[in-house]
Amino acid sequence: NAGVTQTPKFQVLKTGQSMTLQCAQDMNHNSMYWYRQDPGMGLRLIYYSASEGTTDKGEVPNGYNVSRLNKREFSLRLESAAPSQTSVYFCATRGLEQYFGPGTRLTVT
Amino acid sequence: SQKIEQNSEALNIQEGKTATLTCNYTNYSPAYLQWYRQDPGRGPVFLLLIRENEKEKRKERLKVTFDTTLKQSLFHITASQPADSATYLCALDMKGGATNKLIFGTGTLLAVQP
Repeated sequence: NAGVTQTPKFQVLKTGQSMTLQCAQDMNHNSMYWYRQDPGMGLRLIYYSASEGTTDKGEVPNGYNVSRLNKREFSLRLESAAPSQTSVYFCATRGLEQYFGPGTRLTVT
Repeated sequence: SQKIEQNSEALNIQEGKTATLTCNYTNYSPAYLQWYRQDPGRGPVFLLLIRENEKEKRKERLKVTFDTTLKQSLFHITASQPADSATYLCALDMKGGATNKLIFGTGTLLAVQP
């Protein structure tokens, strides 16, 4: 079992470009999450999905959209990237404890 | 306002000693408190969970305490090793259950010197 997988691992975008971060889990969990992590700021929740077909905003949703494609997959889209979105992005799922993917390091120039 | 605080400064200790990390929170009443380890360039990994009605939980060299009156959790690593060097995050779980959000602290960097 792979647990939580994310693609890509690294990405460089120019300001204004768009991209989608992909996440998949094989743990059969209902809930999935997208976080960003910046130095000194800790993990901040962008969006989450409590179950297939539902999504909700977290602490920092502006500039992002999400799609819960099915129970396994939860994608995060940046429609028009900005330098402030330079960060490391983590997808996660949870039973009682949370399981994180390996992260995507995104740089927006 | 609601806050979770972990030591923002790095904790440096000598190999073999006990490391103690602190997680304080205000204006929350969590049902559970969880601890995670994060290595550079990787996602956090779950270590331990403690419930509000538990005072202490142990797992091998790890021990967690939870004082709901003080609104504080302490995380201990006994007989610390250089391999324990990492950032440790605490997380509050308000209700428990898979559909609820965790609220993370910013983490404490632990450096164990050989």
